[in-house]
Amino acid sequence: GAVVSQHPSWVICKSGTSVKIECRSLDFQATTMFWYRQFPKQSLMLMATSNEGSKATYEQGVEKDKFLINHASLTLSTLTVTSAHPEDSSFYICSARQGADTEAFFGQGTRLTVV
Amino acid sequence: GESVGLHLPTLSVQEGDNSIINCAYSNSASDYFIWYKQESGKGPQFIIDIRSNMDKRQGQRVTVLLNKTVKHLSLQIAATQPGDSAVYFCAEIYTGGFKTIFGAGTRLFVKA
Repeated sequence: GAVVSQHPSWVICKSGTSVKIECRSLDFQATTMFWYRQFPKQSLMLMATSNEGSKATYEQGVEKDKFLINHASLTLSTLTVTSAHPEDSSFYICSARQGADTEAFFGQGTRLTVV
Repeated sequence: GESVGLHLPTLSVQEGDNSIINCAYSNSASDYFIWYKQESGKGPQFIIDIRSNMDKRQGQRVTVLLNKTVKHLSLQIAATQPGDSAVYFCAEIYTGGFKTIFGAGTRLFVKA
């Protein structure tokens, strides 16, 4: 299957700082990428849908000014958690799809811990 | 966000037995469905998919059944092995849109 690489795989940051997470599709062009958040023992919660060259579409309840998404190219989307707080600590996962009727490939996830 | 943030139900099976994991999906317009396996600390991995014009699809040791009438999806794993221990999620997609929405997930424990 296609490969989606997410970086970093884990990060620890101080409260009040910003953290950027990268999601790259390595061997295909992804017109659409998705960002999910997952708390322990829970399902994946869709945060936003990112389309190349346009603004991301955020799910209800997700603060767009706090979770900045940039999809500058067909192979790269970034999620920046701004002014991070301990409650932002979570597992963040991206996925990428080539088309609407194809499977999504997932990155390995990023464990964010805010101290 | 969409999808349910519930604590995961658990299914415990003996090694060698068959496992059946169930999922209820929410959108009657969804026309593409995927089962994913997620191991601890990793992203989900594709297992098998099915489109809405089918009611059954088989892979290697896995079978997915789709009942559109009651919006129900199931994953059957034959001869379950310890390596099958993980969390399993169903995902629904409406191909007229783009979102992949995940179900609540089930944790599978395989006892040796």
